[in-house]
Amino acid sequence: KAGVTQTPRYLIKTRGQQVTLSCSPISGHRSVSWYQQTPGQGLQFLFEYFSETQRNKGNFPGRFSGRQFSNSRSEMNVSTLELGDSALYLCASSFKPPGTEEDTIYFGEGSWLTVV
Amino acid sequence: SQQGEEDPQALSIQEGENATMNCSYKTSINNLQWYRQNSGRGLVHLILIRSNEREKHSGRLRVTLDTSKKSSSLLITASRAADTASYFCASGRSKLTFGTGTRLQVTL
Repeated sequence: KAGVTQTPRYLIKTRGQQVTLSCSPISGHRSVSWYQQTPGQGLQFLFEYFSETQRNKGNFPGRFSGRQFSNSRSEMNVSTLELGDSALYLCASSFKPPGTEEDTIYFGEGSWLTVV
Repeated sequence: SQQGEEDPQALSIQEGENATMNCSYKTSINNLQWYRQNSGRGLVHLILIRSNEREKHSGRLRVTLDTSKKSSSLLITASRAADTASYFCASGRSKLTFGTGTRLQVTL
C-alpha cells in the first residue's frame, strides 16, 4: 500500500508569489492534516480536513489555506509568500475521523519550500 | 506552540549501546505517538501508546508512559548507525502537538 505522497518535493519561490502543495493520503484514509516544520518553531499544526471540510485550524495567518477533494486528496496554498514561510511542509493522513482516539497518523516525505 | 520538551536535545552513542530519550508534555493526553525523522525527510511512525498503558514494545523499541508525571520515554536497544535521526513525541487525537525532538547520533 502506498504511503502519503506529497508533491512537489522541492520548490523555490520568490517573495510575494503564491504556492500550492499537493498531498495524496494513504488509500482509504479520509483525514488529512498539514504541518509546518522550521528550525525555529519546530513542528506546528496548520489545518485538518475530513470529508472535504476543515475540522481544525492552527494559529497561522489567512495567507495559509487548504482544501480537500472528494477523493480525499488535499492541497494547501500559501499566498503572498514571505521569507519566513520557508519550511518543510508535511502532510499526514489517518483513517478515522478527527478527534478519534488511538488513530495512528502517517506522514509523507514533505515539500521543501524555499522563499527567496 | 510545542506541547513539551524532549530531553536530551542531542545524544551521541556508539553502535550497540542503548539510547533513551524522554518527553514531557503539558496537558492531559489520550495517547502519545513517537516518530523518527531522518535528516530532511518526513516523519516515520514508530509507536503509539494509549494513556491507560504503561509500557509498549515494538522490536528494539520500548516506550513507557507515566501520566502522573506527564512524561514518556523511548528506549532504543542495541542501536545501529541507521538509527541516527531525530525523534519526536506527539500528543493529540488528530491535531498533533510535537515535542522539540532529540537528535540521536549513532557512531560506528
